[in-house]
Amino acid sequence: DAGVIQSPRHEVTEMGQEVTLRCKPISGHNSLFWYRQTMMRGLELLIYFNNNVPIDDSGMPEDRFSAKMPNASFSTLKIQPSEPRDSAVYFCASSRRPQNTKNIQYFGAGTRLSVL
Amino acid sequence: GEDVEQSLFLSVREGDSSVINCTYTDSSSTYLYWYKQEPGAGLQLLTYIFSNMDMKQDQRLTVLLNKKDKHLSLRIADTQTGDSAIYFCAERDGSSNTGKLIFGQGTTLQVKP
Repeated sequence: DAGVIQSPRHEVTEMGQEVTLRCKPISGHNSLFWYRQTMMRGLELLIYFNNNVPIDDSGMPEDRFSAKMPNASFSTLKIQPSEPRDSAVYFCASSRRPQNTKNIQYFGAGTRLSVL
Repeated sequence: GEDVEQSLFLSVREGDSSVINCTYTDSSSTYLYWYKQEPGAGLQLLTYIFSNMDMKQDQRLTVLLNKKDKHLSLRIADTQTGDSAIYFCAERDGSSNTGKLIFGQGTTLQVKP
């Protein structure tokens, strides 16, 4: 299996621009998670989906952030407009149906975002 | 709400044992996990333990769980320079069936030659 695939691996953009991060979960997994990692705040859960439906987006920092999962094999995290404080590494993770299982989350390699 | 706490930094010499500690608050957690993050990479599952166990051993790794004190530890025997990484403790959110994990802030392990 190819694992969780994120693109791009690195993104450099200017303040005010729209940024779209992409994630392809492991085939057969039906839970998907978006995290943000910074030195100051550590690893933060932004939003997660079960069966393509957003369950909890309370971690999304502001209305500038939005996430979609149009089908079981693709999700996007969009920041519009981007700001320098959005600079971080963004991870996507996926897992199998959570009920009564070990619920192991498999992480992608991350997208390193720099907003200038 | 649920919370997971870890010390931020641990430094050991190559060949020594490393012990990384973690405390958690959700007594209904069914599974607890240790993840490893190497520089520039995502988190990778190292091992996990079910809440009805108090110890699990996997080669150089030993996980100890004290449910009474809500304390979890990861012992790495014969620590190598390749073990240098950030180690995250996580518990499964017992309040829902959504599969959410609660992560600690991570412990940076530095292994000196």
